[in-house]
Amino acid sequence: KNQVEQSPQSLIILEGKNCTLQCNYTVSPFSNLRWYKQDTGRGPVSLTIMTFSENTKSNGRYTATLDADTKQSSLHITASQLSDSASYICVVSPPPAGTASKLTFGTGTRLQVTL
Amino acid sequence: DSGVTQTPKHLITATGQRVTLRCSPRSGDLSVYWYQQSLDQGLQFLIQYYNGEERAKGNILERFSAQQFPDLHSELNLSSLELGDSALYFCASSVAPVSEDRRIFGPGTRLTVL
Repeated sequence: KNQVEQSPQSLIILEGKNCTLQCNYTVSPFSNLRWYKQDTGRGPVSLTIMTFSENTKSNGRYTATLDADTKQSSLHITASQLSDSASYICVVSPPPAGTASKLTFGTGTRLQVTL
Repeated sequence: DSGVTQTPKHLITATGQRVTLRCSPRSGDLSVYWYQQSLDQGLQFLIQYYNGEERAKGNILERFSAQQFPDLHSELNLSSLELGDSALYFCASSVAPVSEDRRIFGPGTRLTVL
């Protein structure tokens, strides 16, 4: 069964610090991997999307990396802000890209940034 | 504001009842997706419509049904509700049926079944 596992489940960091969230997946073959940010009670918002041939993708203070050989991805947040407090969800799609029924969602990492 | 609207924002009902959740896709988007997110669970894909036709079906219970109307808005009907149906229900839309990059989520409807 295709799975996406994220770690840690939750994380508390001080404002201004960096952090890295992990995503391990077993989906194979693999088309693309996306990181979403979901504020509490809101819909997910896409941060980055990477195909199997891409190693890194940045969006402001968010940088995602992908190692398709080890089936691992990470999301690095630089100089965290209070507004980064949210759940971060890793989503993996096998080919054909974007097939709705085939997307596998991780359960997310809940990040809390404090003063 | 993502451009995808969902109503109502909150819904509280009793077991055995039936409810209807509504979603209006972003202007220009033809495809609508429904997801369920239970407490501490990942998003579960329920069903997808494209231009009025069912396109893909996920883990949707037989008690649940959906449709997309000619004006492209969609409704998700949940019947014979159980306590376990309490969850956030999200609608997302995209231009094309497999357009990953354009899948935009709405704010969700929080359903509480008592």
